[in-house]
Amino acid sequence: AQTVTQSQPEMSVQEAETVTLSCTYDTSESNYYLFWYKQPPSRQMILVIRQEAYKQQNATENRFSVNFQKAAKSFSLKISDSQLGDTAMYFCAFIGLSAGNMLTFGGGTRLMVKP
Amino acid sequence: SQTIHQWPATLVQPVGSPLSLECTVEGTSNPNLYWYRQAAGRGLQLLFYSVGIGQISSEVPQNLSASRPQDRQFILSSKKLLLSDSGFYLCAWSQRGREAFFGQGTRLTVV
Repeated sequence: AQTVTQSQPEMSVQEAETVTLSCTYDTSESNYYLFWYKQPPSRQMILVIRQEAYKQQNATENRFSVNFQKAAKSFSLKISDSQLGDTAMYFCAFIGLSAGNMLTFGGGTRLMVKP
Repeated sequence: SQTIHQWPATLVQPVGSPLSLECTVEGTSNPNLYWYRQAAGRGLQLLFYSVGIGQISSEVPQNLSASRPQDRQFILSSKKLLLSDSGFYLCAWSQRGREAFFGQGTRLTVV
């Protein structure tokens, strides 16, 4: 079974600064995907970024980037130039590519961007 | 393009009453389907997971059940609601090994 751990229940950052959210996972699979989701106060789940495990290059989406360390089973999210609209819960998620595998989420990190 | 519909958005039900939440997906076939529950300010608890019609995996023993009568329809049910069933329920779909896309959620309050 897979597990995903987010060790930071809450974080805060000043507007325009950079913040990094941590995520570690445990799996015996070699092929899998990792994701970061954002859940703003509206509670809609929004996909922020995805990373394929077979790709060594870290994924980037505008101000969002990841640091994927496969050997360490670590998948952190860096938010650059933080904006007030980045205030949200952030969830790390894992899915393996074996048949019948399901999406597993971490416990979430609540991020507050301060003006 | 693919879309997911979940309804109702808000529901207030008395203790002991039945429950039926419905989720449908458009624009894809044979999706993996999920029901999650989220307590206020907390993480996502996977309730049910389905890889095909009539195939349901239950992750947490509880007062709820799920059914998948059609390929792109996923229903969450209860015969008798408990106060502890209150929460925010999210339906999601994915293709195998890919990211999940979520519905808007249902805020259920059991009174």
